[in-house]
Amino acid sequence: DAGVIQSPRHEVTEMGQEVTLRCKPISGHDYLFWYRQTMMRGLELLIYFNNNVPIDDSGMPEDRFSAKMPNASFSTLKIQPSEPRDSAVYFCASSFYGTSGMGSYNEQFFGPGTRLTVL
Amino acid sequence: AQKITQTQPGMFVQEKEAVTLDCTYDTSDPSYGLFWYKQPSSGEMIFLIYQGSYDQQNATEGRYSLNFQKARKSANLVISASQLGDSAMYFCAMREGRDQAGTALIFGKGTTLSVSS
Repeated sequence: DAGVIQSPRHEVTEMGQEVTLRCKPISGHDYLFWYRQTMMRGLELLIYFNNNVPIDDSGMPEDRFSAKMPNASFSTLKIQPSEPRDSAVYFCASSFYGTSGMGSYNEQFFGPGTRLTVL
Repeated sequence: AQKITQTQPGMFVQEKEAVTLDCTYDTSDPSYGLFWYKQPSSGEMIFLIYQGSYDQQNATEGRYSLNFQKARKSANLVISASQLGDSAMYFCAMREGRDQAGTALIFGKGTTLSVSS
């Protein structure tokens, strides 16, 4: 299994530029989560999807952030325009609602993260 | 109020010793799950262990065990026989509700563990 795949792994951009982060969840998983990790705020949820539908986007900081999941195998998190305070590590995680194996407690599997630096 | 509290910003332990990382939680939902994740310096989040609110026994996974005290709302991680590779940040997290797949994890601030030889 490839696990959750995120790209790019590192992104350096200038203030005002558009940034797009990408995530491919584990095949068969029906939940996808976007988290952000900063020193000040720790790990916090931005948004999550179930069967490609956004369920809770209350963690999205402001209108500059948007997320989409056009199909079961792909999601994007876009920041436009980016600001220096958006610098963080952005994690994508996926899980499935099931009762077999490791999924019996619906563990969330995390991708490697995208380290974003906005100058 | 914080839902997950990890009061130890840093812990130091010698190789082969056991170490306990503290975690207390706050919820009024009778159904919840508690998770511990490890984040090494490389940055990935590695799942370690899970405890459900209705589980009668403390969870164990190899050298990891969870000291679950429901009345005290604590879920401490115990690492036995520490290894140098255990040096990392450790996060306690909670998920509330019966449909646990459908809710996000709430994380604590983390504890940095340093294992020395």
